[in-house]
Amino acid sequence: EIVVTQSPGTLSLSPGERATLSCRASQSVASRSLAWYQQKPGQAPRLLIFGASTRATGIPDRFSGSGSGTDFTLTISRLEPEDFAVYYCQQYGSSEWTFGQGTKVEIK
Amino acid sequence: QVQLVQSGAEVKKPGASMKVSCKASGYAFTGYYIHWVRQAPGQGLEWMGQIHPSSGETTYAQKFQGRVTMTRDTSIRTAYMDLTSLTSDDTAVYYCARGTILVALLTWGQGTLVTVSS
Repeated sequence: EIVVTQSPGTLSLSPGERATLSCRASQSVASRSLAWYQQKPGQAPRLLIFGASTRATGIPDRFSGSGSGTDFTLTISRLEPEDFAVYYCQQYGSSEWTFGQGTKVEIK
Repeated sequence: QVQLVQSGAEVKKPGASMKVSCKASGYAFTGYYIHWVRQAPGQGLEWMGQIHPSSGETTYAQKFQGRVTMTRDTSIRTAYMDLTSLTSDDTAVYYCARGTILVALLTWGQGTLVTVSS
């Protein structure tokens, strides 16, 4: 099983600031098969990024993903009020998919 | 539009089994895997496994092997997830999601809360 670790656990930022979220896998993720999801309280997760850097349909361009191998990053260029949420990364390059534990982006 | 609609909340006794359904609409049901993901209260997401609706091929997370069974009925475009020998640790919201190896989990159901309590 590939273990996925996210950091930091919580990010306290103000609207308009830049958010940088990290995701590290215990083994190289095949074919950059890394996704990012956003989850708000009481809601199902929403796919933001797949293939490490491709935005899903309807996702604003302030969200961007990068990385390869074992190290990946989600960047939110300028935080909007609706972006404060929990973000999960997930590797889907192995037969058993695994999620990171999440990063909460909260209002400072 | 693409939708996954899950069955309603359940309360189960320890040792019992649960079965959650996931009805798909708005896309070719047999063209995408259905995955199951759970989330315990206040915790993160946990991938449980997947089923291909066309072939019935399944892959389960090692943690759930022997306790989980994923099935589907293509005639009614519905996938099912059975989990046996429930304990309080199985109290969670269970989600189904449509996905592929190219784009991960595209569309999610609304979630089904299963509470295991004596």
